[in-house]
Amino acid sequence: GDSVTQMEGPVTLSEEAFLTINCTYTATGYPSLFWYVQYPGEGLQLLLKATKADDKGSNKGFEATYRKETTSFHLEKGSVQVSDSAVYFCALRGGMRFGAGTRLTVKP
Amino acid sequence: DVKVTQSSRYLVKRTGEKVFLECVQDMDHENMFWYRQDPGLGLRLIYFSYDVKMKEKGDIPEGYSVSREKKERFSLILESASTNQTSMYLCASSTEWEGRDGYTFGSGTRLTVV
Repeated sequence: GDSVTQMEGPVTLSEEAFLTINCTYTATGYPSLFWYVQYPGEGLQLLLKATKADDKGSNKGFEATYRKETTSFHLEKGSVQVSDSAVYFCALRGGMRFGAGTRLTVKP
Repeated sequence: DVKVTQSSRYLVKRTGEKVFLECVQDMDHENMFWYRQDPGLGLRLIYFSYDVKMKEKGDIPEGYSVSREKKERFSLILESASTNQTSMYLCASSTEWEGRDGYTFGSGTRLTVV
């Protein structure tokens, strides 16, 4: 069946550092892929998505590219801010399967 | 601008009680979902519904049931609450179950069973 494997956290970075959170998946066919973000005390919000191979999703300075050959969808941001501190979830097929989540803390 | 509303943010219930968690969406979405969120496990799908009165089991349906009598409302029922059901419960909705536009989530209900 489908599965999502996400980089284990927590991740702690200094402000303006480069961020990568790894996500790989196993699935039949070519599922749509997603990153969601959860700020403290809130539900999940859609951060970005990609619906087919080689698509790049982007939002708020975050990017992820759908890599069919490596079955990956890694999340990147060039310069993180304190306000990016949150838990990030990789998911496929909208939300039918989620990764375990990665907690990011950005220190000033 | 609230789109998916969960009726309670925090609930404390006793072991053996019947518990109802309510979720309402105002986006006319066909599909609705219930998850539980536990540290280190991410979100796990309990049940989903693709139409009124229709339901499908997710990955961890044991100990839970659901009800969808109206399109906008999806209820999660714990028939006899147990301490291992202490968790954060999240409701979501989408236009299609594969959610190419993603899912919209409520703010969650933190349930404690004592």
